[in-house]
Amino acid sequence: AQSVTQLDSHVSVSEGTPVLLRCNYSSSYSPSLFWYVQHPNKGLQLLLKYTSAATLVKGINGFEAEFKKSETSFHLTKPSAHMSDAAEYFCVVSEKGQGGKLIFGQGTELSVKP
Amino acid sequence: ETGVTQTPRHLVMGMTNKKSLKCEQHLGHNAMYWYKQSAKKPLELMFVYNFKEQTENNSVPSRFSPECPNSSHLFLHLHTLQPEDSALYLCASSQGGETSTDTQYFGPGTRLTVL
Repeated sequence: AQSVTQLDSHVSVSEGTPVLLRCNYSSSYSPSLFWYVQHPNKGLQLLLKYTSAATLVKGINGFEAEFKKSETSFHLTKPSAHMSDAAEYFCVVSEKGQGGKLIFGQGTELSVKP
Repeated sequence: ETGVTQTPRHLVMGMTNKKSLKCEQHLGHNAMYWYKQSAKKPLELMFVYNFKEQTENNSVPSRFSPECPNSSHLFLHLHTLQPEDSALYLCASSQGGETSTDTQYFGPGTRLTVL
């Protein structure tokens, strides 16, 4: 069975410092992994997607994530936080043959201090 | 703004009302989804439609009734809701198909409050 665990419910950083949002997954087969962002009162926007190509995936707004099979992790990073990065971030897993069904993590709220 | 639109954006209804949520996608996709997002809970998949056929009903109470008249439109009909049904209802679409793991694109959601 698939599952996703986001290890921090809330992360707070200062503007200009690095961001690390942690995600571990469990999957029977080779999964596809996603990170989505949700700003207040908005829908979810795709940040990046891993589908068994390069293990380091670059996304929008300077975010990237590294797929580590041995650690079953897919952590999201950004070298320098911006105030506009404050939002909720969701790590998501999907398996082939599941009709596109996505399993969402509980979310990590990112706060950025000036 | 994405290629998925939802109306209304906000809805307040009493427990005896009947209302409908509408979703429209302009991306040429074949699969559409309804999700429920409650405070402090992971997103819950409610329904999946692939090529207008319902392929998933995630044990959703019958007071929620989906309708997919074509691949571009998805409705969620609401009847006799409970206060605990208050949540953000998100619609999404994707290319579709049983073997796909393709990206889902989300609408902005409808914030529903049941009094």
